Amino acid sequence: GAVVSQHPSRVICKSGTSVKIECRSLDFQATTMFWYRQFPKQSLMLMATSNEGSKATYEQGVEKDKFLINHASLTLSTLTVTSAHPEDSSFYICSARGPGRTSGDTQYFGPGTRLTVL
Amino acid sequence: GESVGLHLPTLSVQEGDNSIINCAYSNSASDYFIWYKQESGKGPQFIIDIRSNMDKRQGQRVTVLLNKTVKHLSLQIAATQPGDSAVYFCAERGGGGGNKLTFGTGTQLKVEL
Repeated sequence: GAVVSQHPSRVICKSGTSVKIECRSLDFQATTMFWYRQFPKQSLMLMATSNEGSKATYEQGVEKDKFLINHASLTLSTLTVTSAHPEDSSFYICSARGPGRTSGDTQYFGPGTRLTVL
Repeated sequence: GESVGLHLPTLSVQEGDNSIINCAYSNSASDYFIWYKQESGKGPQFIIDIRSNMDKRQGQRVTVLLNKTVKHLSLQIAATQPGDSAVYFCAERGGGGGNKLTFGTGTQLKVEL
């Protein structure tokens, strides 16, 4: 249980285009999902918290107009990188709060999406 | 500000030996801690967690120890196997009911045959 998927796993795009990344909880409902960014050999940095049916909460320094988050259902959150530039190239990972009272504290991660902007 | 850090960036162990990965945290209000394993190019995988009202928790081949007095967390892996080679992150959740996790810098575990 508590499986999270991401699509696509890898994307290459031209500078100036927009890219959408999907995060799905496959076998449970997730009212809260999280989006992280990870540079090579570094730790995970939280970008935003995505709540179903409401606006996302962004961490300090993360541009909400550049990284659009939509959590339209209890199993799907999307991250759209708008007008992508080479410095946006990174590994984007989503997570979802686990189901149930005890595992609800735990975040389960997707496999990540490697974004390369040329 | 709040931070979670690791003492050893790289740990090399022989196959079959026990591994100990350490983590120091600075937020005394943190109430929940998780260890994750991340293999190259993949997302973090949950290993084991522990709440602040406990000092030890065991799983299959893994044990997490929490010392709140010195704000120290460790992950012990018994009989380390080549498949254990990965980067290990500790993460803490600050108290107050929030759900955000703060991740440590990570430790690369290398298992030598």
